Amino acid sequence: GAVVSQHPSRVICKSGTSVKIECRSLDFQATTMFWYRQFPKQSLMLMATSNEGSKATYEQGVEKDKFLINHASLTLSTLTVTSAHPEDSSFYICSARDSTANTGELFFGEGSRLTVL
Amino acid sequence: AQSVSQHNHHVILSEAASLELGCNYSYGGTVNLFWYVQYPGQHLQLLLKYFSGDPLVKGIKGFEAEFIKSKFSFNLRKPSVQWSDTAEYFCAVTPQTGANNLFFGTGTRLTVIP
Repeated sequence: GAVVSQHPSRVICKSGTSVKIECRSLDFQATTMFWYRQFPKQSLMLMATSNEGSKATYEQGVEKDKFLINHASLTLSTLTVTSAHPEDSSFYICSARDSTANTGELFFGEGSRLTVL
Repeated sequence: AQSVSQHNHHVILSEAASLELGCNYSYGGTVNLFWYVQYPGQHLQLLLKYFSGDPLVKGIKGFEAEFIKSKFSFNLRKPSVQWSDTAEYFCAVTPQTGANNLFFGTGTRLTVIP
C-alpha cells in the first residue's frame, strides 16, 4: 500500500520552544492530509485538515495559532507546535488519502511522540 | 454529528478463541466503514473496509466484518485468534458525501494469551 512517513518519530523539547513535525506521502500525491492527536488509551482526535495550497481547516477547540499547519506541496504537510507546553505532550499522527484513487482509504504515518519538559 | 462507539475497551482471549468486537455508529446518511489495527509500536493499518455491496466483508489476516444497516453496526470478527493479533483495533466511519475525514471510535485493546 501507499506509504506516509512522519519525522521525527520522537522529540523532546523544553517548554516555550517550537517543534515542527513533517508528514510526507512517499509514493502518491495528497491534496488533503489530516492531523490527529492521540492521548493514552484514547482514540484519535482530528485536529485539522491540511489542504495543499490553502489554509488548513481546524476542528473546534484547536488553536490555529498554536498548531501551525503548512501544506506547501502535494507530498508534504508540516505541523508546528508553537510555544510548546507540557500539556501539548502527546502522540501526533498524520494521514493522507491518495488524490488519484477513489478508495476512501487513509494511509497513516508512524506518528510522532512529543514530550515537552 | 457523527460518532462511533466501540463498547469493548479491553478484550482478553486465549489463542484459538473466537473474537467479535462491537462497533456502532451514529449518522443519518450513507457511510463508508473501516476497521484499522495498530500493532504495538507500529502505525495504523487498514484491516478491511465496506463501501457498498455484500455487507459481509473479508479483510487481511482472517478478519471479517458485517455491516448491519438497521443496527448501524459494523462488528469485527475472527473465528480463531492468534497471539500475533494482540493490538489496538479502531472502527472508523466517513460519510460517503461531504466530510472526507474519518471519525474514529475509542478503540479496543485485544490481548491474546498464548
